[in-house]
Amino acid sequence: DAKTTQPNSMESNEEEPVHLPCNHSTISGTDYIHWYRQLPSQGPEYVIHGLTSNVNNRMASLAIAEDRKSSTLILHRATLRDAAVYYCILSPEGTNAGKSTFGDGTTLTVKP
Amino acid sequence: DTGVSQNPRHKITKRGQNVTFRCDPISEHNRLYWYRQTLGQGPEFLTYFQNEAQLEKSRLLSDRFSAERPKGSFSTLEIQRTEQGDSAMYLCASSLYWGGTDTQYFGPGTRLTVL
Repeated sequence: DAKTTQPNSMESNEEEPVHLPCNHSTISGTDYIHWYRQLPSQGPEYVIHGLTSNVNNRMASLAIAEDRKSSTLILHRATLRDAAVYYCILSPEGTNAGKSTFGDGTTLTVKP
Repeated sequence: DTGVSQNPRHKITKRGQNVTFRCDPISEHNRLYWYRQTLGQGPEFLTYFQNEAQLEKSRLLSDRFSAERPKGSFSTLEIQRTEQGDSAMYLCASSLYWGGTDTQYFGPGTRLTVL
């Protein structure tokens, strides 16, 4: 499985934008980029996914580099409830979609 | 949707005992996944089903682990002769897969402690 690399931790101030980076230099052409987050004592929660184009939804935006070897999850205005572990994973298209490898993610701390 | 539910939420057992966990996926989701997560690490894939068929098992899943999804709805994960190293959070996720990519919805997990 293709792997991703994320910083172990990041800090942000409340109500400021947060940019969470992810490197995936071995991504293949059919791999989707998915982001999940895990709040304390909960299961992971889907955030957003994309293939080539930038994506927006009510939770966040996903910016994908032109060569697809990196991506950035953007939280436009961080709140205290956004403090979580954020996972960037690659999910292949087709039958093996969903059989993905989670790394250790980025722990986001939001300061009031 | 009521979301993915898992029972029990917590289980404490003695080494050598058998335990069984249940996962109820989101209604009409055809795929169901099991993961294991230890403290400070991301979820590790264990196995997954499409309807009632078990499509893949991780080599992490020893012979003491077995999973079933008999009618393509709920699933059970059984661990026989538990060991202290089995202590972890066991996560279940479900998805509606029709080709392309696969977005998973996770349950709250079952925390297993083996004494």
